[in-house]
Amino acid sequence: KAGVTQTPRYLIKTRGQQVTLSCSPISGHRSVSWYQQTPGQGLQFLFEYFSETQRNKGNFPGRFSGRQFSNSRSEMNVSTLELGDSALYLCASSLARGDEKLFFGSGTQLSVL
Amino acid sequence: QKEVEQNSGPLSVPEGAIASLNCTYSDRVSQSFFWYRQYSGKSPELIMSIYSNGDKEDGRFTAQLNKASQYVSLLIRDSQPSDSATYLCAVILNSGGYQKVTFGIGTKLQVIP
Repeated sequence: KAGVTQTPRYLIKTRGQQVTLSCSPISGHRSVSWYQQTPGQGLQFLFEYFSETQRNKGNFPGRFSGRQFSNSRSEMNVSTLELGDSALYLCASSLARGDEKLFFGSGTQLSVL
Repeated sequence: QKEVEQNSGPLSVPEGAIASLNCTYSDRVSQSFFWYRQYSGKSPELIMSIYSNGDKEDGRFTAQLNKASQYVSLLIRDSQPSDSATYLCAVILNSGGYQKVTFGIGTKLQVIP
């Protein structure tokens, strides 16, 4: 069974640009969560999607958005990039909403210059 | 007070010793607790879950939970250099009517040969 797939693996952007990250969950998993990981803050919850609906959102500005498609694949978008958005963005899938066993992808390392 | 607190370390132990990793959490009604292991440059992977007070053993790993003290710990017996990683404590917290998996900053463990 394939694991969680995130693309791209690395991204370099400049301030003011926007970026879209993609996540394909494990086959059969319907819940997708996104996390931002930085050395100083650790793993910070961004949002969770289940059945194409955002079910929960963390304390991030509106520049961070996401969506989930009918095949459970998810994308997150960050607009008007800031230097502080440089981080590892991790996607995690789980079998169902409320299933707390998270399976993480390899992440997208975003660098904002 | 952070919702999930861990000492970031590093915690250094000699090979063969017991490593003790600790975590406290703020939400008294939390019922689900997890330990994830993250090797450098890799994504987190679930290694233990615990839901009831007391100890839960899995091989060399023992998770301990004390809900009255809002404290969860992970013991690694006979520590090996391959155990060197960052250990993330995760708790299901209630936030605005929703449940979300909230992570501590992680404790970096170094096992010295």
